[in-house]
Amino acid sequence: SAVISQKPSRDICQRGTSLTIQCQVDSQVTMMFWYRQQPGQSLTLIATANQGSEATYESGFVIDKFPISRPNLTFSTLTVSNMSPEDSSIYLCSVESGAWEDTQYFGPGTRLTVL
Amino acid sequence: GEDVEQSLFLSVREGDSSVINCTYTDSSSTYLYWYKQEPGAGLQLLTYIFSNMDMKQDQRLTVLLNKKDKHLSLRIADTQTGDSAIYFCAETNPGEGKLIFGQGTELSVKP
Repeated sequence: SAVISQKPSRDICQRGTSLTIQCQVDSQVTMMFWYRQQPGQSLTLIATANQGSEATYESGFVIDKFPISRPNLTFSTLTVSNMSPEDSSIYLCSVESGAWEDTQYFGPGTRLTVL
Repeated sequence: GEDVEQSLFLSVREGDSSVINCTYTDSSSTYLYWYKQEPGAGLQLLTYIFSNMDMKQDQRLTVLLNKKDKHLSLRIADTQTGDSAIYFCAETNPGEGKLIFGQGTELSVKP
């Protein structure tokens, strides 16, 4: 399976600011995803990060709030813009990897607290 | 829409078996997964099963799938304190990429 790292692992931010989260994979992967896990909740898909084209966003998530970059097959960033306390969550990237390409592996997550 | 449901809590004694249950609504779900999340950590893929299977065994883990009832279960044999975590079931269809997760079951293992 792929080894996935995320930076930062955690951060505390002021409302109105933006934070960019990085996701690095140790091998080239076609599919990369960004999920949000609000406190005490399950995971919800924010968007699929497409290499060379705009990300595909799920209902309820928009590019202005969560811009995503995917410059190559091993790296992606998610920016949480104009943050409010409601954005306090764990943000996780995942990739499809392995023999069964529909199997997703997750990074360790970025724990964001917005004051 | 698609929905995945789990009970929220399960408490067992060390050495007992744990059974975590999950139901889903999407009859076209083809792949079903179990993930483990320890406190402060990301998600670890434990196991998965395809909809054309009804059972999969992997060491202490046994997954049972009842496709007719849309019911998935994860049995952990000889549960240890290190198994204490939140367990998520998730489903997807081939090529969709999007995983639909249940709410997670918090497993507490008492010595």
